[in-house]
Amino acid sequence: EAGVAQSPRYKIIEKRQSVAFWCNPISGHATLYWYQQILGQGPKLLIQFQNNGVVDDSQLPKDRFSAERLKGVDSTLKIQPAKLEDSAVYLCASSLVSGGDYEQYFGPGTRLTVT
Amino acid sequence: AQTVTQSQPEMSVQEAETVTLSCTYDTSESDYYLFWYKQPPSRQMILVIRQEAYKQQNATENRFSVNFQKAAKSFSLKISDSQLGDAAMYFCAYRRRFGNEKLTFGTGTRLTIIP
Repeated sequence: EAGVAQSPRYKIIEKRQSVAFWCNPISGHATLYWYQQILGQGPKLLIQFQNNGVVDDSQLPKDRFSAERLKGVDSTLKIQPAKLEDSAVYLCASSLVSGGDYEQYFGPGTRLTVT
Repeated sequence: AQTVTQSQPEMSVQEAETVTLSCTYDTSESDYYLFWYKQPPSRQMILVIRQEAYKQQNATENRFSVNFQKAAKSFSLKISDSQLGDAAMYFCAYRRRFGNEKLTFGTGTRLTIIP
């Protein structure tokens, strides 16, 4: 079974530029999560999708971050414009369904550096 | 809000010895899961072990075991017969069993294995 795929693995941009990250969850997984992991911290949830609907985006800085999950499969996370404090690893995870005994499986992450 | 605290930023252990990583958490919920995740330099979060709060028996996975003290809200990870491949960041995480299933992570413990 293929795991969660993310691209790119690394990205370096200047502040005020825009950037997009892509995630392909495990086949058949209805729930998709985006986490932000700042250096020295644990991951923090940015947004959770159930199929193509948003379940939780309370921690998403909506003035600059946006995410979509078209057709309930792949997802894209965008930052526009980027700030220095957005430098972090962005992790995508998926689970078969939400809640209960179902585990979240993580992708390899995208390391973003904003200069 | 739920919080997870890891008070040991770094730990080291001699190869083949045993090490214990500490974690405390705070929640008003009664039905939840606790996890230990391993994050090697590749950045991929790997589930090490899971504990259901309703189970009194401590979880065990090969060389990894936990000491779950529900009343004290303590959840430590014991790694026996430490191996070089165990070197990584270890994150303690909490998740409600139902409802909002986001993972809440601690700040991590960097484990070094001394050959």
